[in-house]
Amino acid sequence: DGGITQSPKYLFRKEGQNVTLSCEQNLNHDAMYWYRQDPGQGLRLIYYSQIVNDFQKGDIAEGYSVSREKKESFPLTVTSAQKNPTAFYLCASSMRAGQSDEQFFGPGTRLTVL
Amino acid sequence: GQSLEQPSEVTAVEGAIVQMNCTYQTSGFYGLSWYQQHDGGAPTFLSYNALDGLEETGRFSSFLSRSDSYGYLLLQELQMKDSASYFCAVRDHNTGKLIFGQGTTLQVKP
Repeated sequence: DGGITQSPKYLFRKEGQNVTLSCEQNLNHDAMYWYRQDPGQGLRLIYYSQIVNDFQKGDIAEGYSVSREKKESFPLTVTSAQKNPTAFYLCASSMRAGQSDEQFFGPGTRLTVL
Repeated sequence: GQSLEQPSEVTAVEGAIVQMNCTYQTSGFYGLSWYQQHDGGAPTFLSYNALDGLEETGRFSSFLSRSDSYGYLLLQELQMKDSASYFCAVRDHNTGKLIFGQGTTLQVKP
């Protein structure tokens, strides 16, 4: 079955540690995205990538980094520079950014920084 | 820039009809999308309107008026499982990225 996966579902880290969230898709989608969602809020774009080896900052990129070495994978690193990292992180993919409004989302990773 | 406005909460009873509105401001417009998100879950795509009018898919309908920069999602024969947050979204003219509204939380009561 095609889909998009994120791991782990829950993640706990100590303050000051970097942490990497995994996102994998087998939908053969060109574009991938990372969003952050805080309780009762909408989705805010962190980074997005339209093709392999290329990515752009979203609206709240500070304190985060990404890589896109493979079409299937778009990992997100939450660095110690992110002031308030506790949140629900969602990864998504689409055929190509700007060509379709249908994005497919993974199940999300809930990060708690202690 | 782009911005979207949605009411924060709506409550309705099982079996009823509910309408959730979305107004938007964009520098260029391609279409209006709707997503559903159950508490703790991932958003799922519901519909997309590029042209004026009503699009129907089962119990769900989505409406767009480009002249009014306005759309709504209509849910009929409400069921308890429809309790969720509903987000409208538009595509940024320059970057192609989706801009989401803050979402409307729908609570369906027995």
